[in-house]
Amino acid sequence: GQSLEQPSEVTAVEGAIVQINCTYQTSGFYGLSWYQQHDGGAPTFLSYNGLDGLEETGRFSSFLSRSDSYGYLLLQELQMKDSASYFCAVREGTGGFKTIFGAGTRLFVKA
Amino acid sequence: DADVTQTPRNRITKTGKRIMLECSQTKGHDRMYWYRQDPGLGLQLIYYSFDVKDINKGEISDGYSVSRQAQAKFSLSLESAIPNQTALYFCATSDPGGEQFFGPGTRLTVL
Repeated sequence: GQSLEQPSEVTAVEGAIVQINCTYQTSGFYGLSWYQQHDGGAPTFLSYNGLDGLEETGRFSSFLSRSDSYGYLLLQELQMKDSASYFCAVREGTGGFKTIFGAGTRLFVKA
Repeated sequence: DADVTQTPRNRITKTGKRIMLECSQTKGHDRMYWYRQDPGLGLQLIYYSFDVKDINKGEISDGYSVSRQAQAKFSLSLESAIPNQTALYFCATSDPGGEQFFGPGTRLTVL
């Protein structure tokens, strides 16, 4: 079966760096995506890793190790507006168009 | 105008009633999805469609059905609503690269 594990909550201070880990178990793995969701809002896409290594997009970076079935999202220079839930999501199947989401990590950024 | 729209945004209904949630998109994407989100939890895939003639069950399809009326429209039905179907429902599309775009959500309460 499919399973994704990520911490339920993380708390960090404004300006700090935080890493949210995700381990997965799935068949037909295609790639790993990350989404952000603010309270009351819809999830929005942050990043995607199809190959091993680090992808950087501004303050956010994402990493994937296929051999370890592991990835992480790194958020730098944390801002209060980064307080949200972060979901790792496995893309699987032909073309990787079926997406299975983890339960999410709630990030609290404190002043 | 929003690229992915959902109607209604909120709905309260009674046990045993038939309910239809509608989703429309102007992004021109072939692939569409229905997810359910329970408080504090991740997104669970209900059904997905890769084109008008292709419908697939997700993780939690029991009690739900879908109709893909056109490339732009994908409806979710609850044939006989029950209280444990109370949740936030999201429709999404995905582009050729696999990035998903979500609608604003429909908050459904079954009494």
